[in-house]
Amino acid sequence: DAGITQSPRHKVTETGTPVTLRCHQTENHRYMYWYRQDPGHGLRLIHYSYGVKDTDKGEVSDGYSVSRSKTEDFLLTLESATSSQTSVYFCAISEDLAGVGVSYEQYFGPGTRLTVT
Amino acid sequence: AQSVTQLDSHVSVSEGTPVLLRCNYSSSYSPSLFWYVQHPNKGLQLLLKYTSAATLVKGINGFEAEFKKSETSFHLTKPSAHMSDAAEYFCVVSDRGGGSYIPTFGRGTSLIVHP
Repeated sequence: DAGITQSPRHKVTETGTPVTLRCHQTENHRYMYWYRQDPGHGLRLIHYSYGVKDTDKGEVSDGYSVSRSKTEDFLLTLESATSSQTSVYFCAISEDLAGVGVSYEQYFGPGTRLTVT
Repeated sequence: AQSVTQLDSHVSVSEGTPVLLRCNYSSSYSPSLFWYVQHPNKGLQLLLKYTSAATLVKGINGFEAEFKKSETSFHLTKPSAHMSDAAEYFCVVSDRGGGSYIPTFGRGTSLIVHP
């Protein structure tokens, strides 16, 4: 299994509080991603990173920020948590995005279940 | 822009019978296609991937998928379902549209296996 850990694995927090989720990899992969998973929506991309301090937005980035100060760590911050951000959050990594016209597969962490009350 | 549609949100089969999970994609370029499996309370795991080398792709645990460009489909099959196959399955497409290979996920198909 790819070396990806997420912390915490479970968190309950109150509306309006900031929350930071951590993703740590031991694979030295260039790309890291944050997704949220909600019933009926599959996985939706929040933000991704293509290197240290290089990040970009995904389709559901509002209310979230990210940082990557080291290759192995990718942090997701909910600046002021809302009930709509109750979800399961997955981190993923990939060696790169694509080679010669071919995309690389992703490896996923175990997920963080976040409940905002 | 790329997109992917999983045609069934739930598929129910009996143990020992064939499995068919349907996926259609839209892509303006030569896409890469993936199937991932997610068991309850777990992360996603790669089942198989198509990257233009061969249209019939074999994956883990007896699953396979066939890329059909004329039908823009990438359906996942297995000859005989096991109870351990009960899980959520995601079809994923990736191409260089917009200069990016960022993958797009389908909404998932829940496979239910009855004894």
